[in-house]
Amino acid sequence: EVQLVESGGGLVQPGGSLRLSCEASGFTFSSYSLNWVRQAPGKGLEWIAYISSRGGTTYYGDSVRGRFTISRDQAKSSLFLQMNSLRDEDTSVYYCARSRGMFSYFDYWGQGTLVTVSP
Amino acid sequence: DILMTQSPSSLSASVGDRVTITCRASQNISKYLNWYQQKPRKAPNLLIYTASSLQNGVPSRFSGSGSGTDFTLSITNLQPEDFATYYCQQSFTTPTWTFGRGTRVEIK
Repeated sequence: EVQLVESGGGLVQPGGSLRLSCEASGFTFSSYSLNWVRQAPGKGLEWIAYISSRGGTTYYGDSVRGRFTISRDQAKSSLFLQMNSLRDEDTSVYYCARSRGMFSYFDYWGQGTLVTVSP
Repeated sequence: DILMTQSPSSLSASVGDRVTITCRASQNISKYLNWYQQKPRKAPNLLIYTASSLQNGVPSRFSGSGSGTDFTLSITNLQPEDFATYYCQQSFTTPTWTFGRGTRVEIK
């Protein structure tokens, strides 16, 4: 069974940092690209970061580029999101999601982890 | 960036109804449009990919159509478990994506 389990969320002050993790199981981790998608309270979905299956290529949404860094550890089947210079508007539930290939979709999602940025 | 516009933003329907949700892209995205269902406090769930392909395990009352800029998600014989929010997503610009703002389907 494919599983993606996020962790690392919590309360952080504006300007602070946080590192999210997503532990994967039930599939060949190195064969899939991975993403972070977030959802502010009561709002819609926003894709924010992508990493290729081997980790050599990354892309970011405009709202997080230069502040967030996506990475993966193939040996631990884990995905990470390092979030720096956090702002109030980064308050969201953060999901990791799996994708594969060209024109791809997100076929499995984690349960999400809540990040709250507040003084 | 490609803008995805969903309509309506919300609708009320009864069990057994047929529901149609539309999604319009700001430019031609061919067939690269996906639909997700999200229930409160849950992760999104893939329903339809590449406009009309039904994801494994999704009931056949869900269907998708369209190409280019205009797409439709239809739900026939609406069931109680279908009351949720539905999002479209364009994957034409993979590995970057944009979502529509969502359509909330409520019980009449």
